Amino acid sequence: SAVISQKPSRDICQRGTSLTIQCQVDSQVTMMFWYRQQPGQSLTLIATANQGSEATYESGFVIDKFPISRPNLTFSTLTVSNMSPEDSSIYLCSVAQPGGPQHFGDGTRLSIL
Amino acid sequence: AQTVTQSQPEMSVQEAETVTLSCTYDTSESDYYLFWYKQPPSRQMILVIRQEAYKQQNATENRFSVNFQKAAKSFSLKISDSQLGDAAMYFCAYRRRNNAGNMLTFGGGTRLMVKP
Repeated sequence: SAVISQKPSRDICQRGTSLTIQCQVDSQVTMMFWYRQQPGQSLTLIATANQGSEATYESGFVIDKFPISRPNLTFSTLTVSNMSPEDSSIYLCSVAQPGGPQHFGDGTRLSIL
Repeated sequence: AQTVTQSQPEMSVQEAETVTLSCTYDTSESDYYLFWYKQPPSRQMILVIRQEAYKQQNATENRFSVNFQKAAKSFSLKISDSQLGDAAMYFCAYRRRNNAGNMLTFGGGTRLMVKP
């Protein structure tokens, strides 16, 4: 399966600032996904990011808060904007080929003070 | 909408013994995939095993096997000969087969502790 690298692995940020998380894959993939995992919770899909089209956001998530880029088939970024303590979570990217299972990166643990 | 339920927030097992984690789901679809993912403290979600709903045979991967009961909408994970490295959060997940978006619906997770 693809090797997926996320950067940073963790960060502590001040409220009101923004952080961009990168997801790099070692092979071309059609679909990339961004998830949020709040402390002690399961995964919630933020958006689907396919190359060549705008990201599709799930209910409760908006582009102004979580802008996503997908410039090519091996890379995507998720920005968490104007952060508040409620944004403290693990953020995970995953990748998949059509019809195939999703494979996940190591996640980014984000804490907002 | 599909839902996935894991009724056991925590389970524990003695090293070398067998444990079964439960998962039930609700769907009106007849063709779909089911998955078990493992998330150790390192945070990475690791695909453990998957089952295609149209296959009657239960999937097996080394010490991991599933008991897929389609009529009951049940998909339990059995871990045999448990090892300390099996300690993790385990998530059950569902995906429709004809889903170009590959979207997964996750259960709430079960924390598995392995006692030496």
